[in-house]
Amino acid sequence: NAGVMQNPRHLVRRRGQEARLRCSPMKGHSHVYWYRQLPEEGLKFMVYLQKENIIDESGMPKERFSAEFPKEGPSILRIQQVVRGDSAAYFCASSPSGLAGLFFGPGTRLTVL
Amino acid sequence: RKEVEQDPGPFNVPEGATVAFNCTYSNSASQSFFWYRQDCRKEPKLLMSVYSSGNEDGRFTAQLNRASQYISLLIRDSKLSDSATYLCVVNKNTGNQFYFGTGTSLTVIP
Repeated sequence: NAGVMQNPRHLVRRRGQEARLRCSPMKGHSHVYWYRQLPEEGLKFMVYLQKENIIDESGMPKERFSAEFPKEGPSILRIQQVVRGDSAAYFCASSPSGLAGLFFGPGTRLTVL
Repeated sequence: RKEVEQDPGPFNVPEGATVAFNCTYSNSASQSFFWYRQDCRKEPKLLMSVYSSGNEDGRFTAQLNRASQYISLLIRDSKLSDSATYLCVVNKNTGNQFYFGTGTSLTVIP
């Protein structure tokens, strides 16, 4: 059973471009979570999705950020018109249920030039 | 009030020492508890689930005190490879949300 997969592992964008981050959860996991981690800081919750539904997006900035988890395919975190402050590690995690805990992917490190 | 509170440390201990981390949570409805380990520039990895009866895995012991709403992690005979940030995580199941502490930094010194 492959773990949570994220791609790309590293992404470089210039200010104003779009960043698209992908996450494939573990097989059998229907819950996907996205977290952001700035250097030397803790994990910050962004959004929690189940298939085709956003359950909790309370941690997501109101503008430029969106997330989806379609019926088929990976979950996508999309950042439009990136700014330097978006530079961070973005971790995706999946879970079969709350009792089992979260399983993290290796993260995507976004650098905005 | 934060859902989960952790002492950020840092804890600097010599090899072979015993070190304990505590974490408090605010919501008595919380049902699932975990300790994660995060190495520098890596993803968090599940270290242990925490059960009411307490559980042990080698040098690591986790305990839950529901009355006082805290969980603890004890590391015995510390190794250099134990150096990392340790995160406590709480889940309420209702809504299936996970709440993370800010993490406690541990450095084991030779």
